[in-house]
Parts: sequence; structure tokens; C-alpha cells
Amino acid sequence: AQSVAQPEDQVNVAEGNPLTVKCTYSVSGNPYLFWYVQYPNRGLQFLLKYITGDNLVKGSYGFEAEFNKSQTSFHLKKPSALVSDSALYFCAVRDGVDSSYKLIFGSGTRLLVRP
Amino acid sequence: DAMVIQNPRYQVTQFGKPVTLSCSQTLNHNVMYWYQQKSSQAPKLLFHYYDKDFNNEADTPDNFQSRRPNTSFCFLDIRSPGLGDAAMYLCATSYGGLNTEAFFGQGTRLTVV
Repeated sequence: AQSVAQPEDQVNVAEGNPLTVKCTYSVSGNPYLFWYVQYPNRGLQFLLKYITGDNLVKGSYGFEAEFNKSQTSFHLKKPSALVSDSALYFCAVRDGVDSSYKLIFGSGTRLLVRP
Repeated sequence: DAMVIQNPRYQVTQFGKPVTLSCSQTLNHNVMYWYQQKSSQAPKLLFHYYDKDFNNEADTPDNFQSRRPNTSFCFLDIRSPGLGDAAMYLCATSYGGLNTEAFFGQGTRLTVV
């Protein structure tokens, strides 16, 4: 069964500094990886996804993510954080051998960007 | 334009009184998901449909049921809500492909009194 881990409950960063939110995954087949952001009392918003090809994926709001197959990781990055980036971030995975399209989420990482 | 709509946004129900949450979509997506999320924790997959094919998670309590009468609508029925069922319930849809992202509704926050 597929799984995804986000080892950090919270990441603190100063505005203007680069940020990284970590994600590792476990699948039996090829991984299909996604990042979502959630603001208070709202649903999840899609940021970006990795399918195949270029290991550096660019997404919404200046976010990007780097896929590393050997480390089974898909870390979310942004070169310069904004206070408005403060939110809850979730990594999610589908397993290429699972034809049911199950989408599993990590435990989430709270990003706090201080002015 | 809203694409995945959940009604109501807030639902208060009595302990043990059946409650139904609804989700509709205008995207014509094959896959519809129901997640339970407690206190900013990971959304926990309860079940999902690919068209009419129903996939129940092994650890989803029998108290939770679902119906998908057509492509556009999906319902979550909680037969006898307990205090532990208070949570945010999220509906999501995706087109039928492993590489397609899911679109989420705003969620329904369920309170059990």
C-alpha cells in the first residue's frame, strides 16, 4: 500500500528566505506525487504535481518541487517566502500499480513565515 | 465558478441521529473521494468511486456509508454519529487518470452534540 511521510510538523522561515517542506513516499509502482495547500476552514488547493520527466516541477504561486527517486522524496521549495504563504501543506501520492486511483495524504506541515 | 460544491458548510447533528452530507461537481470527473479531517491532521480517505465502482477503505467504520446516484452527486451518510465523528469532511474529484490532480470542495464541518 502506498504511503507518504512529512517528517516536520512545522517549518518556520523568515520572509524573503528560501523554504523547504519535506516529503518522502513509499509505493510499489511508479509514484504520482502532488502538493496541496490548505488555509483555515477551507478545502485543499492543488499546487503542483510530478508525473514523469523533469525532476524539478514548477507550480502555482512560485512553488516548485524536486523529485528524487533514489531518496524517494518530493520536497516542496520556494526561493523567497512570503508571509501569505503561511498555511498547512500536504503531500499526496498515488501508486502506479493501484488502478483504483486511491489518493493518500501525508500528515501535513504547518508553514509559518514571519515578517 | 464553483466546481466541487459541498452542502452544507456547517452541520450540527445530535448524537446518534443520522446525517447526510452532500457533494456535487460540475467537472464531469470519474472519480469522487470522501475524506475525514480532524484538527488539521492528514485527510483520511474513507472511500472513493471510480464511476459507480465503490472502493471502501478497510478501516472505514461501518457507520459511514456512501451513495453516488449519478456522475455529478455523491453523498456521505453517517448512520449513528458519535462524538468522535466530529470533523471536517472533504469531497474531492479527479478525472480518471493516475496523473490527474484532485479538486476539493470547501468541506463540511460536522459538529455532534
